[in-house]
Amino acid sequence: DQQVKQNSPSLSVQEGRISILNCDYTNSMFDYFLWYKKYPAEGPTFLISISSIKDKNEDGRFTVFLNKSAKHLSLHIVPSQPGDSAVYFCALQSNFGNEKLTFGTGTRLTIIP
Amino acid sequence: DGGITQSPKYLFRKEGQNVTLSCEQNLNHDAMYWYRQDPGQGLRLIYYSQIVNDFQKGDIAEGYSVSREKKESFPLTVTSAQKNPTAFYLCASKVLGTGELFFGEGSRLTVL
Repeated sequence: DQQVKQNSPSLSVQEGRISILNCDYTNSMFDYFLWYKKYPAEGPTFLISISSIKDKNEDGRFTVFLNKSAKHLSLHIVPSQPGDSAVYFCALQSNFGNEKLTFGTGTRLTIIP
Repeated sequence: DGGITQSPKYLFRKEGQNVTLSCEQNLNHDAMYWYRQDPGQGLRLIYYSQIVNDFQKGDIAEGYSVSREKKESFPLTVTSAQKNPTAFYLCASKVLGTGELFFGEGSRLTVL
């Protein structure tokens, strides 16, 4: 039973345009949400996060949006750059004394020059 | 430099053999994790540990074992009971009570 889904396995975006990556979850106990970026044969690196008390968090070209009622999380990258080509994972955590993070299935983003 | 070191980077194993993957961190993090990555399945949690001498099963613990005798070390043993062990294995750590995981560079295990 997949609690966290990223329904688009891959996404191609023209350089300079906006990339939108989506993540849906089923468990309303999740209250801290993160995005990670991963290059091939490397470990993921943290990108941006948001807690359930907010609906938006911005860091430079990256913005994360949270819609709690829809149980939906999205990452916007604008403008997209070739170096953004990677696999992106959302990760969710419940903060009720639980140190476990649950990852989505990942979306491979390709930026077309 | 602080970080997480996984070794070996590549490992080949014959069927029926146990193999141990090493994970060492010098970030002074209490929590450590092992994930497995397979194509199209994202990262799945194998085991995690919040404190020395204690660890919890993740979502896919069958066929794996871990130990946490020291704060900085969290080795993973892939036993012969693991039916499909060929995968990319990732170790991570973090500060308790925070969400940000720091990952190692991974170990790719291939069973021949």
